Formats: sequence, C-alpha cells, structure tokens
Amino acid sequence: DSGVTQTPKHLITATGQRVTLRCSPRSGDLSVYWYQQSLDQGLQFLIQYYNGEERAKGNILERFSAQQFPDLHSELNLSSLELGDSALYFCASSARLAGLNEQFFGPGTRLTVL
Amino acid sequence: QKEVEQDPGPLSVPEGAIVSLNCTYSNSAFQYFMWYRQYSRKGPELLMYTYSSGNKEDGRFTAQVDKSSKYISLFIRDSQPSDSATYLCAMREEGTGANNLFFGTGTRLTVIP
Repeated sequence: DSGVTQTPKHLITATGQRVTLRCSPRSGDLSVYWYQQSLDQGLQFLIQYYNGEERAKGNILERFSAQQFPDLHSELNLSSLELGDSALYFCASSARLAGLNEQFFGPGTRLTVL
Repeated sequence: QKEVEQDPGPLSVPEGAIVSLNCTYSNSAFQYFMWYRQYSRKGPELLMYTYSSGNKEDGRFTAQVDKSSKYISLFIRDSQPSDSATYLCAMREEGTGANNLFFGTGTRLTVIP
C-alpha cells in the first residue's frame, strides 16, 4: 500500500458528461501528480501541483482541469467526455521537488466512457 | 517520436531465466532513470533508480544506464513467477523544478513456473 488513495475505483459514464476524480496524497507529501494510462500511449503526465499551486503541465486537454486543496488532496475534473478519454487515471505524490523525489502511485481510477 | 521508447512485449520466460528489459530515449537532459513495476490492477511502484550513468544492483535486479547511447536496461536474474508484471522505465530531468516522469509504454513479463 503506497499510502496514496484514489476514489472512485471505477467510473462508467456517457459521452459529454463530466466527472471528478479524487486523490489523497501520502501524509506529509506536498506534491501531487496526475497521469493517464491508456493501452496505446502508456503513462502520460497530465499535471502537477505543489502545496496548492500548479507546478507543471503535461499533455492535459483543455477539457480537463485539476486543483489541489488546502488539505493537500487533489481533484481532477474531466468534462465533455469522449470515448477516447477511457483510461486509467493515476495520482502520485512526492515529498519534495529536489533529488530523486520518489513518486508514490495510488491504485488508480478506471474511467469508462460509453 | 516519443521521448521514451520501450518494447511492449509481451515477454514470456521460464522460471530461472535471465530477463533483459530495455528502453531508449531522446532527451539528453534526463538524469534520473527509474524502473517501475506494475502488477495487474495496481499502481506502479518504484523498483530501482539510477542517477546519471552506470550500474546499480539490488538483489536479483541490475539497472544499467548508458547515456552516450541513450539506452537503459533492467536485468532480472533467476526470474520467479512473482516477477510477472509490467515493467515501466521512467526518466526525468534534473533541476527544472518540475518532477514529472516520462514513461515508456511498459513491457509485460510473464515468468512461467
């Protein structure tokens, strides 16, 4: 158990809908990362937050947004969902920004868009 | 071209075999090189990491980095059925302030008893 929790485990929804994925980092970790894992693209970095502030952006679509709250939990909002958004969404957390800065991954949320 | 390329396999070997997993990359700024292991329906977990070039050994696992060739490898000796998982290489730059990882697509390994 990495100490990172994600809810829900599974989400099934329809095209055009909006969903919110939630992540709680390990105790004491200030950084949260969101990744998307699909069969053909592998794990793709979406966005990083550090202590409430956006730190880095990857290949995140404009239909997607995220935030990190004062208690350090994070939410990833996906809107106007398309079939191609079906994937595993992972959250990871880390303690610092420097050095190895190991990222600990949660169990993921499996999103299915029908 | 993707920044990190990894043969997706699948790779199937008998128990006790030596396994070689490889990745190539294009970004010469990468300094941290990692191998993650991902069991089915689980999140990735860090297996080994190497900073810059060289070799690192941890039990049955050896990680190698050749920065001149932009090539990294993970060797598993005396492979066990419990090693069956997807192995992902990951890399990141140093000092950019952002710590996001660039992953390969993963190689699915099955060790047959």
